[in-house]
Amino acid sequence: AQSVSQHNHHVILSEAASLELGCNYSYGGTVNLFWYVQYPGQHLQLLLKYFSGDPLVKGIKGFEAEFIKSKFSFNLRKPSVQWSDTAEYFCAVNDRNQGGKLIFGQGTELSVKP
Amino acid sequence: DTAVSQTPKYLVTQMGNDKSIKCEQNLGHDTMYWYKQDSKKFLKIMFSYNNKELIINETVPNRFSPKSPDKAHLNLHINSLELGDSAVYFCASSQDKGYNEQFFGPGTRLTVL
Repeated sequence: AQSVSQHNHHVILSEAASLELGCNYSYGGTVNLFWYVQYPGQHLQLLLKYFSGDPLVKGIKGFEAEFIKSKFSFNLRKPSVQWSDTAEYFCAVNDRNQGGKLIFGQGTELSVKP
Repeated sequence: DTAVSQTPKYLVTQMGNDKSIKCEQNLGHDTMYWYKQDSKKFLKIMFSYNNKELIINETVPNRFSPKSPDKAHLNLHINSLELGDSAVYFCASSQDKGYNEQFFGPGTRLTVL
């Protein structure tokens, strides 16, 4: 069965620090990959997505992610975090052949200290 | 304009009651979903409808019954509520049976006492 694993449960950083959140998935077929963010008390918003093409994708708010097919990974990065990046981050995989079902990772809580 | 809306935002009820959550999207999408987020923030899909037809039905108790009167609406009815049903329920929509990104609603926090 498909699964998505996020390496870090809770990450605490100071402002201006660099961020990398790990995400690995287990599935051998063709997948779409997503990172969603959930700010406190809010709904999920899409940060970025990968369908095909350039494995380095850029998203909103300065986030980017790199798809490494051989490692089944899709890590999220940001060179310099801000206090406003404090949120829960979810990696998700979508099997194109399963009606759009999104499989989510466990989520990583990011706390940025001002 | 809200793209995906849900009502109510909060729902507090007693065990054994029956309740419904409504979802509407104005994006013109053909596919809608219900997800459950538990107390540990883990998100899991429950159902998906494409043009009013059920296409995904995960192992959800049959106390949960989705209904899609048209492709812009997907409601969730829950019978005989249990303590374990307490969670945040998110509705989402997408185009092309989920090939593209999914847009999420604001969530409904259900508390069963």
